[in-house]
Amino acid sequence: AQSVTQLDSHVSVSEGTPVLLRCNYSSSYSPSLFWYVQHPNKGLQLLLKYTSAATLVKGINGFEAEFKKSETSFHLTKPSAHMSDAAEYFCVVSDQYLRSNTGKLIFGQGTTLQVKP
Amino acid sequence: GAVVSQHPSRVICKSGTSVKIECRSLDFQATTMFWYRQFPKQSLMLMATSNEGSKATYEQGVEKDKFLINHASLTLSTLTVTSAHPEDSSFYICSARRVGGSTEAFFGQGTRLTVV
Repeated sequence: AQSVTQLDSHVSVSEGTPVLLRCNYSSSYSPSLFWYVQHPNKGLQLLLKYTSAATLVKGINGFEAEFKKSETSFHLTKPSAHMSDAAEYFCVVSDQYLRSNTGKLIFGQGTTLQVKP
Repeated sequence: GAVVSQHPSRVICKSGTSVKIECRSLDFQATTMFWYRQFPKQSLMLMATSNEGSKATYEQGVEKDKFLINHASLTLSTLTVTSAHPEDSSFYICSARRVGGSTEAFFGQGTRLTVV
């Protein structure tokens, strides 16, 4: 069974300082992993995805994440936070089966990122 | 990019009435769409998987007769909340995957349902 755990429900950083949002996953299959961002009362926007290619994945808005199989982790980082980064972030795992695109997305609990001026 | 449009973005309805929410993939075909429910300050909970031309697959604990899902075409899935009650008030979000595409899912903007 697949699962994902976001280790921090709330992270607060100052503008211009690094961001680290932690995510650990569990998957019986070779997983696909995603990070999505959600601003208040909005849908979800994909930040980046890992699908068994390069382990260091670069996404939009300066975010990146590293897939570490030995640690079953997929932490999200950004060198310098902006005020506009304040939002809810979700780590997501998909159990993608071969020749099928019906794998479910399993969401983490979410991490609220607060950026202080 | 792939765009998923969800309509309406907000709806207020009276208890006992039914509400239909539409999810459309605007520039791609989607054999599979997913419906989620999100409570305030919580994660997304998968309600059901909608497959074009067949019955939806509901997650455990989700009432099939309460949340009717129809996926009549490769670009449209609908969720109807029947006989709505205040406890059905929530944020509902759909997502879709391309036919034969990657594992990435594209999300609608969400629908805020308030039952009074």
